[in-house]
Amino acid sequence: DTAVSQTPKYLVTQMGNDKSIKCEQNLGHDTMYWYKQDSKKFLKIMFSYNNKELIINETVPNRFSPKSPDKAHLNLHINSLELGDSAVYFCASSQKTGVYEQYFGPGTRLTVT
Amino acid sequence: GDSVTQMEGPVTLSEEAFLTINCTYTATGYPSLFWYVQYPGEGLQLLLKATKADDKGSNKGFEATYRKETTSFHLEKGSVQVSDSAVYFCALSSGGSNYKLTFGKGTLLTVNP
Repeated sequence: DTAVSQTPKYLVTQMGNDKSIKCEQNLGHDTMYWYKQDSKKFLKIMFSYNNKELIINETVPNRFSPKSPDKAHLNLHINSLELGDSAVYFCASSQKTGVYEQYFGPGTRLTVT
Repeated sequence: GDSVTQMEGPVTLSEEAFLTINCTYTATGYPSLFWYVQYPGEGLQLLLKATKADDKGSNKGFEATYRKETTSFHLEKGSVQVSDSAVYFCALSSGGSNYKLTFGKGTLLTVNP
């Protein structure tokens, strides 16, 4: 049974489109995250939610909007996609905020053409 | 702000060779330190962690010691296997950063038979 799942696994779309990536965790964790991994494998946090509340919002264009309908889900909506948005996006969760292990999903490879 | 510097890759070794991947950090307060591993096409998995100075984290033959005096957390393994081929990320979590994980740039390890 997958702990952190993401859909879709691959997403190919054109510039200017709007797309969403979904994430679900079945671990009963309170905290969820979105990370972006660029083509050089550099991994950077974008957002973090704790109990549906936004607690970390890094310097991310406001075209990116996370939404957490409940503790187990954290979706990422991206408006007006740009070429530079092409990356692998990882969702993760942890038991709480603090020094807890983060469990990562398999990633969504977004390609903007 | 917090930062992690790890040795640039790629690192190519023969099976049974000794592995060291260097990692140093800058952080406010007393961070916890982690090594994550990313196998091809997968999300990240926690490999080991250490939460205070002089702690040694170990797992699957890998180990790393939290050295506060040198602000380092070098990853070592005495005898690598082909199955260890992956990207390795050093990371820290500091309360001063709202407990987000700050990652190094990753080191690609390839082990040849």
